[in-house]
Amino acid sequence: GAGVSQSPSNKVTEKGKDVELRCDPISGHTALYWYRQSLGQGLEFLIYFQGNSAPDKSGLPSDRFSAERTGGSVSTLTIQRTQQEDSAVYLCASSLDRQGASTFGSGTRLTVV
Amino acid sequence: SQQGEEDPQALSIQEGENATMNCSYKTSINNLQWYRQNSGRGLVHLILIRSNEREKHSGRLRVTLDTSKKSSSLLITASRAADTASYFCATDPGSRLTFGEGTQLTVNP
Repeated sequence: GAGVSQSPSNKVTEKGKDVELRCDPISGHTALYWYRQSLGQGLEFLIYFQGNSAPDKSGLPSDRFSAERTGGSVSTLTIQRTQQEDSAVYLCASSLDRQGASTFGSGTRLTVV
Repeated sequence: SQQGEEDPQALSIQEGENATMNCSYKTSINNLQWYRQNSGRGLVHLILIRSNEREKHSGRLRVTLDTSKKSSSLLITASRAADTASYFCATDPGSRLTFGEGTQLTVNP
């Protein structure tokens, strides 16, 4: 598609459940980022994929968080055993290369109850 | 702490006035980018300035970069109510794109 697509747009889950968030980047974009944003806050870096290189996972807050990018395209962010503090908007972005402008998806608003 | 830090945190102006937002960063960079965010969802890329550039224009936007001071400014001229949003700078220090906390701009009609 023309933009970065994220699904679902909203997700309400019970504490302790696992969730999967999906990101479809722009075709041909080699760089893909996941960020998390709490209400009124800045963007917290989570993970970065660049081509076939090993991902930069240094922003993942705990081992409950993991992400993969299959075939250099679609990415899935998985949060296991969700906690209330995981509630936030999860944003995905892709760019043609590491140094280019990023295009963001509309995000997934995750609410853990 | 954040690689990029915007200042002020919040700015309120009247329509037609100019708005200036600043960004400071810590390490050397390849480029610096400015983004706008409405309603807490996706960010929209505004402008990218490379480390060897000092000034760049795009419509009513003017961005400057001073690598010796590790700072950048975003100027929005002749502001409109529709410019109300959060503005973020993002730096590329060679590893990944890192964002500041943002400046909340309110343009009053």
